[in-house]
Amino acid sequence: EAGVVQSPRYKIIEKKQPVAFWCNPISGHNTLYWYLQNLGQGPELLIRYENEEAVDDSQLPKDRFSAERLKGVDSTLKIQPAELGDSAVYLCASSSFLAGDADTQYFGPGTRLTVL
Amino acid sequence: AQSVTQPDIHITVSEGASLELRCNYSYGATPYLFWYVQSPGQGLQLLLKYFSGDTLVQGIKGFEAEFKRSQSSFNLRKPSVHWSDAAEYFCAVVHTGTASKLTFGTGTRLQVTL
Repeated sequence: EAGVVQSPRYKIIEKKQPVAFWCNPISGHNTLYWYLQNLGQGPELLIRYENEEAVDDSQLPKDRFSAERLKGVDSTLKIQPAELGDSAVYLCASSSFLAGDADTQYFGPGTRLTVL
Repeated sequence: AQSVTQPDIHITVSEGASLELRCNYSYGATPYLFWYVQSPGQGLQLLLKYFSGDTLVQGIKGFEAEFKRSQSSFNLRKPSVHWSDAAEYFCAVVHTGTASKLTFGTGTRLQVTL
């Protein structure tokens, strides 16, 4: 079974440029999460989706960050415009109520963003 | 609010030695507890989890963890460390009732010397 897929793995951009990250969760997982991981820190939740609905986006900086999960499968996280402080690893995770293991999240490899 | 504390930022052990990584949580009831490992440039891999039942939990790669309610701890152990275990280890907690909202500790970086 394929795990959570993320692309790109690495991205280097100039500040003020836009950037987008893509995530495909484990097949059948209805819950999808985006996390931000700063250097030397644990991941912090940005947004959580239940199917197509964003049920927790309280930590998402909505002035520059946006996310979507059309059709309730894969998801895109966007930053526009990027700032120097956005340099971090962006992790995607998924979980499934149907598997009876709703509280276990499985993570992708992440996208390492560097803003110059 | 719930929180997770990993008091050791960096630990160095010799290959073949035993390992214990500490994790303490702050929460009124019994949370769900997890240990994840992150190798350089990689995502987080689930090592083990505790939801209920037996307080000694076995995980992958020879790791185990013990839930101690009286100490609010969930320490990770391995009897004999391999060089490939060098990585960052994160303890995490889900507050039951918050719909799978994971709170992570700041991590412990493990270095293994040969």
